[in-house]
Amino acid sequence: DAGVTQSPTHLIKTRGQQVTLRCSPKSGHDTVSWYQQALGQGPQFIFQYYEEEERQRGNFPDRFSGHQFPNYSSELNVNALLLGDSALYLCASSQVGRREKLFFGSGTQLSVL
Amino acid sequence: TQLLEQSPQFLSIQEGENLTVYCNSSSVFSSLQWYRQEPGEGPVLLVTVVTGGEVKKLKRLTFQFGDARKDSSLHITAAQPGDTGLYLCADISGGSNYKLTFGKGTLLTVNP
Repeated sequence: DAGVTQSPTHLIKTRGQQVTLRCSPKSGHDTVSWYQQALGQGPQFIFQYYEEEERQRGNFPDRFSGHQFPNYSSELNVNALLLGDSALYLCASSQVGRREKLFFGSGTQLSVL
Repeated sequence: TQLLEQSPQFLSIQEGENLTVYCNSSSVFSSLQWYRQEPGEGPVLLVTVVTGGEVKKLKRLTFQFGDARKDSSLHITAAQPGDTGLYLCADISGGSNYKLTFGKGTLLTVNP
């Protein structure tokens, strides 16, 4: 049973570029949440998707957007990258009725130069 | 905005020692979770505590939730090198949708 898978594992971009990160949830899970973890910090909630809709959003600008597909996989898009967007981006999946039990992927390490 | 403070920030001990790390909140926790994150990996859920005064044990790990639900502690007995990692506490909020607010974590190193 595959867990949460994220791609790519590492990514280097320059300021002003756009990036797309991908996440496949654990089998049987229908809810995907995205978190940003800067160096030396705990993860920060970006947003959550369920039934292909954004259900909750954290304190992140509109440059951060997402999508959930019918197969429950998800993408995180960041436009107009800033140096401060350099971080580990974590995807977490859960299932309705047990949303408190999150499973995290290993993350995508994004470096913005 | 709820603030979670974890202490100590760093902890380096020898194998076999006992340790306690703490998580304190500026407001009452809805429910609290503890995670361990190893280098290059995502956080892994260790426990969820809901009721004030609750104590849960997971092998050598003991989790306590304060009576007023504003603080929690994690005690590890006879630490092993495999316990090395970043220990994060998180408050669950957001109603049925659930979102987590994390502290900055305690980075534990257990030396053989």
